[in-house]
Amino acid sequence: QVQLVQSGAEVKKPGASVKVSCKASGYTFTNHWMHWVRQAPGHGLEWMALINPIGSVTHYAQKFQGRVTVTRDTSTNTDYMEVVSLRSEDTAVYYCARDFSMEEADRSGWWLDPWGQGTLVTVSS
Amino acid sequence: SSELTQEPTVSVALGQTVKITCQGDILRIYYASWFHQKPGQAPVLVIYGKNHRPSGIPDRFSGSTSGNTTSLTITGAQAEDEADYYCYCRGSSGNNWVFGGGTKLTVL
Repeated sequence: QVQLVQSGAEVKKPGASVKVSCKASGYTFTNHWMHWVRQAPGHGLEWMALINPIGSVTHYAQKFQGRVTVTRDTSTNTDYMEVVSLRSEDTAVYYCARDFSMEEADRSGWWLDPWGQGTLVTVSS
Repeated sequence: SSELTQEPTVSVALGQTVKITCQGDILRIYYASWFHQKPGQAPVLVIYGKNHRPSGIPDRFSGSTSGNTTSLTITGAQAEDEADYYCYCRGSSGNNWVFGGGTKLTVL
């Protein structure tokens, strides 16, 4: 079955970096974009970034430009999301999620399915 | 402020019908999708496109769009539907995507 399996929880100090992995299985990896989403404790979902099927194009939410990098390794069906210069506000669960899109009745729509299980990143001194 | 606005909390009596809404100008152009999320779990897709349910999602879930508002309707809400619900859509810049702030649904 289609699965996204993320790396384990991390505890980092302010100013450090973290790299989260997302390994895909059960589908053709190079047929889909992948998104990254985070959720701070007690807060809603926040879109961060996405990467195209062959790993050559990325887009980032403005607030993460320059501090977040997403990459793709097509030889291992794995995506990575790195955050540098961590601060306490980056404490959150980070998710990867597979992208779908379609056109219907002259309108486009996008959705995410499935999601990885999430990776908790705690930033604390 | 977010491009998609949801009411923070909604409640429904067991077995009754509830509508959760998501507003934003971008919804005049694109379809939104809907996710539910239970505590400690990853979000799960419940509605996508005009009104499609992934396999495994009960048919009591349906979606609709009118003007700048997209709605998720649960007809005959069950206790297991108690969760946070999020709408999601492409953003106005074209290279960003956005979530609504989320609606906490309580089934009484």
